Amino acid sequence: GENVEQHPSTLSVQEGDSAVIKCTYSDSASNYFPWYKQELGKGPQLIIDIRSNVGEKKDQRIAVTLNKTAKHFSLHITETQPEDSAVYFCAASPYTGFQKLVFGTGTRLLVSP
Amino acid sequence: GAGVSQSPSNKVTEKGKDVELRCDPISGHTALYWYRQRLGQGLEFLIYFQGNSAPDKSGLPSDRFSAERTGESVSTLTIQRTQQEDSAVYLCASSRDLLGTLTSYEQYFGPGTRLTVT
Repeated sequence: GENVEQHPSTLSVQEGDSAVIKCTYSDSASNYFPWYKQELGKGPQLIIDIRSNVGEKKDQRIAVTLNKTAKHFSLHITETQPEDSAVYFCAASPYTGFQKLVFGTGTRLLVSP
Repeated sequence: GAGVSQSPSNKVTEKGKDVELRCDPISGHTALYWYRQRLGQGLEFLIYFQGNSAPDKSGLPSDRFSAERTGESVSTLTIQRTQQEDSAVYLCASSRDLLGTLTSYEQYFGPGTRLTVT
């Protein structure tokens, strides 16, 4: 089955710096790759996603890149702010229609003012 | 509008007792998912409901775990004879899952139920 690895497990940056979180997946059939942000005591919230027919997607300060050949995808956050501090999860979906998501183990991002 | 709600928010139970967790999905969402999140770890898929189709139970860790959903509404996750390793946050999500259409993939998560087995 699908396996998703995520790095780093923790990431500390200064406000205004960029942050990059990387994930690799094992199942070449996976075709959907969302990123979720989880704040303390809350459920995960989708922040951006990308499908396998697209190499890059951007939404304001966040962007995701996908390399299907290498089977890895990355989340980029520019101009980080303290409110970006949270746990970020990547996921991969190996199915079409049924979104059974396989999650990475998460990255705790800390943005210091 | 209202999001996914779960109850209780916290549950402490003794080893060996049964527990029932509840999820109210977003109205109109045909797909409902249960996940388990152990401390410091990612989300582990448990079970998926889609409309009136048979649920996908492939993620349930043992036969002590079961879940039900009535139509496209409330779902309950039941854990029988709880064990300490069942301690985790149980998250429910719903989506407008349109099978085979690739139309919408976003899963909306509830706040979770933190289960502690003593």
